Amino acid sequence: DIQMTQSPSSLSASVGDRITITCRASRHMLTYLNWYQQKPGTVPKLLIYAATSLQSGVPSRFSGSGSGTDFTLTISSLQPEDFATYYCQQSYSVPLTFGGGTKVEIK
Amino acid sequence: EVQLVESGGDLVQPGGSLRLSCAASELSISTSWMSWVRQAPGKGLEWVANIKPDGSEKYYVDSVKGRFTISRDNVKNSMFLQMNSLSADDTAVYYCAREWRVTGTPLDIWGTGTTVTVSS
Repeated sequence: DIQMTQSPSSLSASVGDRITITCRASRHMLTYLNWYQQKPGTVPKLLIYAATSLQSGVPSRFSGSGSGTDFTLTISSLQPEDFATYYCQQSYSVPLTFGGGTKVEIK
Repeated sequence: EVQLVESGGDLVQPGGSLRLSCAASELSISTSWMSWVRQAPGKGLEWVANIKPDGSEKYYVDSVKGRFTISRDNVKNSMFLQMNSLSADDTAVYYCAREWRVTGTPLDIWGTGTTVTVSS
């Protein structure tokens, strides 16, 4: 199984900050890496797929990079509606696996 | 509106069984791999199982193998999860999700979830 390790598990930031979340896979998986946002009490929402592709309707301040084992999600200028938990997920092999999540909180 | 709607969640005793359903509307799932994902209270997301469009391949996370069975009925545009020998560790919100047929095969459409509580 591919283990996904996200860091940090939580972070505090201010509106307008640039933040980066890292996801590391236990083995190479090309670019089969997706990112989701989940706000409390709501359904996960796809943000980025195939490591770098922005899902339709997602603001351009979100971006993804990486390949192989190391991936990042960047929010270039944090907005109030971005405070949420973010998950990475590998789709390279079954069982599909998620990272543990990164909770982005208001400083 | 394109949506997936889960049903069947309930309070069940340890050792009991439940059958979850996922119905698609304004969306044909017959050509899509479909997944079940769960989220225990206050915890992260855990993939549970998926099924090929024609139902010929099914995969499970180790913790549910031998207890859960995924199935689908493309005529009814629906997917199911039969859960047996339930334990407290299975308590979670269960989501169904479509695996989008693009590079990366992300889960692009999610249901609103159905809650399974295993407790005596």
